[in-house]
This record gives sequence, C-alpha cells and structure tokens, in this order.
Amino acid sequence: AAGVIQSPRHLIKEKRETATLKCYPIPRHDTVYWYQQGPGQDPQFLISFYEKMQSDKGSIPDRFSAQQFSDYHSELNMSSLELGDSALYFCASSLGTAKLNYGYTFGSGTRLTVV
Amino acid sequence: QQPVQSPQAVILREGEDAVINCSSSKALYSVHWYRQKHGEAPVFLMILLKGGEQKGHDKISASFNEKKQQSSLYLTASQLSYSGTYFCGTEPKLSNDYKLSFGAGTTVTVRA
Repeated sequence: AAGVIQSPRHLIKEKRETATLKCYPIPRHDTVYWYQQGPGQDPQFLISFYEKMQSDKGSIPDRFSAQQFSDYHSELNMSSLELGDSALYFCASSLGTAKLNYGYTFGSGTRLTVV
Repeated sequence: QQPVQSPQAVILREGEDAVINCSSSKALYSVHWYRQKHGEAPVFLMILLKGGEQKGHDKISASFNEKKQQSSLYLTASQLSYSGTYFCGTEPKLSNDYKLSFGAGTTVTVRA
C-alpha cells in the first residue's frame, strides 16, 4: 500500500541557508500535517492543510512557510536556518478533518541538520 | 494543551504486562495511540472515540474514560517487538482545530 513519502530523508544545511522539505500524502488523503521532533522529544505541531487551504497553525516560526499544492503534496520552506532547527520533520496525512475519526499516517521523516 | 503521559519509561521482561496512562485537562473527542521505534516514523496503533470504548491490537489494548479525560494503553504478555516509545495524541472536544497534541511519550524496553 502507498505510504506518505517525504523527501529528502536527510538534509545538511549551514546556518542562514534555506531548506525545502517535501511531502506526498497517501492518495485520497486530503489533509496534511507537519510536525517537528527534536531528539528525545514528542512531535510538535507546526502547520496543517485541508483541501489545499491552511487549516491550523502551531508553533511554526515566521521563518518557515508551507503550502499544499493542487496534487495535495505539501512543501515546508525554512529560511534563515538556525542551529536549533535541527530536528526530525514529519509529515502526516489523514482523511478528512471533521473531527479525526482516522489515525494519522506518518512519513519516514526528514532529518535536518543545521551546521 | 499537551496531554500528560506516565510513566516516562518502563522496562519489562518478555511476557510481562505494563500500563501507560494519558490524561488531559480538556474534554476529549478522541485519543490516539502511536508507537515510534528509534529513528522511525510513529505508527498508528488505535483511536478511541467514545467514553468507555476499549480496543485491541494484537495484545495491545486501550481504554478511554471520557469523564476522567484519561486513556490507558495496556501491553499484555509483552514481546521484544513492543519496544519503542508510545505516544498518546489527543483532540479536544470543544475545538475548531483538528490536530493532535502529543504527550511526551513513554519509552518501553522489553528484554529477553
């Protein structure tokens, strides 16, 4: 079965550089979520999209932006990277947001290292 | 607001049982449980929607006490494959947002 595809798997960037993370949700899933997970931490919600519109926003820095495209894939753009941005970034998709009756399917994550 | 999980960590021998608790200060619509192995993505185990609901997944089951805003995950006759970090994710009842807030996780280590 198709899963949530994230790319790249690993990314190394220098401070002040820009990074773009991509997420391809499960076909027919209309909702995408982005989470940031630091070492030994729980996933922290960044932002979500439902039917290509931003549906919710969490603790996402102003330096970050995201969008969902017509094919439902989503991109997380991160600018002026800081050392503290180093983390595992997960994308998850689900079917519908009218109260979550379905679980999330997570992608394998992108490990971002800022040096 | 983030749910509170306990304990933070538990070490088991194969065949032993464990309980992981998740509590929220808000009335809950749903509770999700996920397991994450080191360096991998969290994997969905189950969702509980109704107060009093109980579900099972192999020998892993969970219950949801809506009145107490609590859920418990039960690991029965644990196997080595049960090792990992278990997260509960909660969605508040009276809310227009549809995201999950995750607890800090419970690290389970099952030893032979």
